[in-house]
Amino acid sequence: DIQMTQSPSSLSASVGDRVTITCRASQSINTHLNWFQQKPGKAPKPLIYAASTLHSDVPSRFSGSGSGTDFTLTISSLQPEDSATYFCLQYYGALTWTFGRGTQVEIK
Amino acid sequence: EVQLVESGGGLVQPGGSLRLSCTASGFTFRSYWMTWVRQAPGEGLEWVANIKYDETEKYYADSVKGRFTVSRDNAKNSLYLQMSSLSADDTAVYYCARAWATPGVGPPLSGVWGQGTTVTVSS
Repeated sequence: DIQMTQSPSSLSASVGDRVTITCRASQSINTHLNWFQQKPGKAPKPLIYAASTLHSDVPSRFSGSGSGTDFTLTISSLQPEDSATYFCLQYYGALTWTFGRGTQVEIK
Repeated sequence: EVQLVESGGGLVQPGGSLRLSCTASGFTFRSYWMTWVRQAPGEGLEWVANIKYDETEKYYADSVKGRFTVSRDNAKNSLYLQMSSLSADDTAVYYCARAWATPGVGPPLSGVWGQGTTVTVSS
């Protein structure tokens, strides 16, 4: 099974900061990677799929990059409403998927 | 309005069984793969199962394989998760979500998720 290692597990940053979250796959997953944002008590919201394609209605300050085993979610200018937990999801092969363990983003 | 509504959660004893339901509205349910995802208290997301629109393909996480069965009734716009041999490790909020129409085309999971139903396994 493909394992996803997400880091950091949490971070604290100021409004306007550039924030980077990474996910590493245990084997190549091409660009079969999704990023989600989840706020407490809510269902996850998709941000990015195919490693770098923004879902509709997602602000352009969010971006994704990477292929193979290493992937990055970047928030170019952190906003107060970005306080949330972020998860990556691999969807490579055989329709068995794996989430990363999540990164909690806190606003200083 | 596109919507998914889960039901069937509750308190169950270890070793027991429970059946979750997810009722879809506002879209052509029979055209989409569907997914179950769960989240233990204070923990991250865990993918549980995928089912093809015509039930000919089903996939499970290793943690539930052999104990959980995903099914659907397209005539009732409904998705199900039959859970058996439950343990405390299965305590979680269970979400259903709309997945692909065609694997590999577009995002695997859309923004269409239910509100979640809580399963608590305890004596």
